[in-house]
Amino acid sequence: GAVVSQHPSWVICKSGTSVKIECRSLDFQATTMFWYRQFPKQSLMLMATSNEGSKATYEQGVEKDKFLINHASLTLSTLTVTSAHPEDSSFYICSARSEDRGFEQYFGPGTRLTVT
Amino acid sequence: GQNIDQPTEMTATEGAIVQINCTYQTSGFNGLFWYQQHAGEAPTFLSYNVLDGLEEKGRFSSFLSRSKGYSYLLLKELQMKDSASYLCAALYAGNMLTFGGGTRLMVKP
Repeated sequence: GAVVSQHPSWVICKSGTSVKIECRSLDFQATTMFWYRQFPKQSLMLMATSNEGSKATYEQGVEKDKFLINHASLTLSTLTVTSAHPEDSSFYICSARSEDRGFEQYFGPGTRLTVT
Repeated sequence: GQNIDQPTEMTATEGAIVQINCTYQTSGFNGLFWYQQHAGEAPTFLSYNVLDGLEEKGRFSSFLSRSKGYSYLLLKELQMKDSASYLCAALYAGNMLTFGGGTRLMVKP
């Protein structure tokens, strides 16, 4: 159990367009979902934390108007990168946690975004 | 912030043993995770330590000393497929997980 999926697994978009990434918990209800960004050869950097039905909490330095996060249900969170620029190209990973399952975060497979 | 420190890179020989160390700030600390991440993939869970001591799980073991703010991941009988990044992550009050920079392990024949 505890499977998290992400869609799409990779996406290429043009500068100035918006891209939506979905994160789903397939076999459990995720009370909290996390969005991370990872640049090559670097570790995961937390972007924001979202609890179902409430506004996301963004980490310092992450623009909430640029990275829109919606956690509308206990199994789905979305990250929308608005007006994407080449510097937004990165590996975006979501994770999900359920209070019933303790503190462990279950990671999705990641989405590689390339902005041209 | 809660600095999580681990070596950037390590190299070891197939069949050998390697220990990857991690230090963290102890204030507000709740537990320590180790993840394995292959290039281009998401991290996969290896271990979670809350209490002091060594926890063994097959070829992988993880150790924690809460008073010293120190943990290590021990990999035995190294295989080529163990070449990956190993991420140390500390859980702090408020259930916030903070990742270290990761240790890239290269296993050579």
